Amino acid sequence: AQTVTQSQPEMSVQEAETVTLSCTYDTSESNYYLFWYKQPPSRQMILVIRQEAYKQQNATENRFSVNFQKAAKSFSLKISDSQLGDTAMYFCAFMTPNAGKSTFGDGTTLTVKP
Amino acid sequence: DAGITQSPRHKVTETGTPVTLRCHQTENHRYMYWYRQDPGHGLRLIHYSYGVKDTDKGEVSDGYSVSRSKTEDFLLTLESATSSQTSVYFCALGTSGGNEQFFGPGTRLTVL
Repeated sequence: AQTVTQSQPEMSVQEAETVTLSCTYDTSESNYYLFWYKQPPSRQMILVIRQEAYKQQNATENRFSVNFQKAAKSFSLKISDSQLGDTAMYFCAFMTPNAGKSTFGDGTTLTVKP
Repeated sequence: DAGITQSPRHKVTETGTPVTLRCHQTENHRYMYWYRQDPGHGLRLIHYSYGVKDTDKGEVSDGYSVSRSKTEDFLLTLESATSSQTSVYFCALGTSGGNEQFFGPGTRLTVL
């Protein structure tokens, strides 16, 4: 079974600054996917970024980027130029291919302060 | 979004009553999932389906059953609701390659 750990229950950052959210996972699989989801107060789960384990290059989506360390089983999310709209809960998730079963971390609540 | 709806969006019921939540998709995805989300926790998998009439248990399946008689609908049933099943329930669709999930808007269920 896979486990996903987010060690920071809450974080805050000033608008326009950079923040990094941590995620570690444990698995015996060699091929898998990792995700960061954003959940604003509306409750909708929004995919922020996805990383395929067999790709060494870190994924980037505009202001969002990851630091994927496969050997260390670490998958952190960096948000640059933080905006008020980034305020949300962020979940790290692990997924196996094919059956696509996911395991989620317990989330990090991020508050962006003006 | 990915053509996924959940009904009802909110429900209040009493302990011991049966409850059925519906997930409907218009995307013809093979995989469908039911999760629950509780305060302080991420999403936990209840059951999932990898095709019509093909379902399997997730990590928190006790007290829940599912059915999928056609591709577009995945039903979650609480045979006799308990207060511990008060939660927000999310349905999700999965791509055949298993590399992405699309989530519904969620159903808030309160069991009194």
